[in-house]
Amino acid sequence: EVQLVESGGGLVQPGGSLRLSCAASGFTFSDYWMSWVRQAPGKGLEWVANINQDGSEKYYVDSVKGRFTISRDNAKKSLFLQMNSLRAEDTAVYYCARTTHFDYWGQGTLVTVSS
Amino acid sequence: DIQMTQSPSSLSASVGDRVTITCRASQGIRNDLGWYQQKPGKAPKRLIYTASSLQSGVPSRFSGSGSGTEFTLTINSLQPEDFATYYCLQYNSYPRTFGQGTKVEIK
Repeated sequence: EVQLVESGGGLVQPGGSLRLSCAASGFTFSDYWMSWVRQAPGKGLEWVANINQDGSEKYYVDSVKGRFTISRDNAKKSLFLQMNSLRAEDTAVYYCARTTHFDYWGQGTLVTVSS
Repeated sequence: DIQMTQSPSSLSASVGDRVTITCRASQGIRNDLGWYQQKPGKAPKRLIYTASSLQSGVPSRFSGSGSGTEFTLTINSLQPEDFATYYCLQYNSYPRTFGQGTKVEIK
């Protein structure tokens, strides 16, 4: 069974940093592109970033370029999102998703940026 | 960026009704589109991929159609468990973009 479990969310002050993790199981992690998608409270879904199988290709939505970094550790079957210079508008539930057409999603982890 | 215009933003329907949700892309995306269902407090669940392929395990009352710029999700004979918010997503080009969502409520 495919499972994706996010962790690392929490409350952080504006300008602060946070690192999200996503632990994968039930499939060959190194065979798949992976993504982060977020959802602000009461709002719709927003794609944040993608990474290819070996980490050599990465794509980001404009609003996080230069602040967020997606990475992965295939040996540990884990996906990461390093978030720096956080802003109030980054407050959201962050989901990791297996990116074969976004077929499997984790349960999400809440990031709150507030003073 | 490709804009995905989803309509309606909400609708009220009764159990047994047929429901149609539309997504229009601002430029052609072939059939690189998926439909997702989300219930409150839960992660999105994929229903349809490549515009018309039904995800394994999803009831056959769900169907998708379209190609290019116009896409449709149809729910035949709406069931109580179908009341949720639905999103389209294009994965033809970057940035990936979602429709604004359609909330399906009980009439």
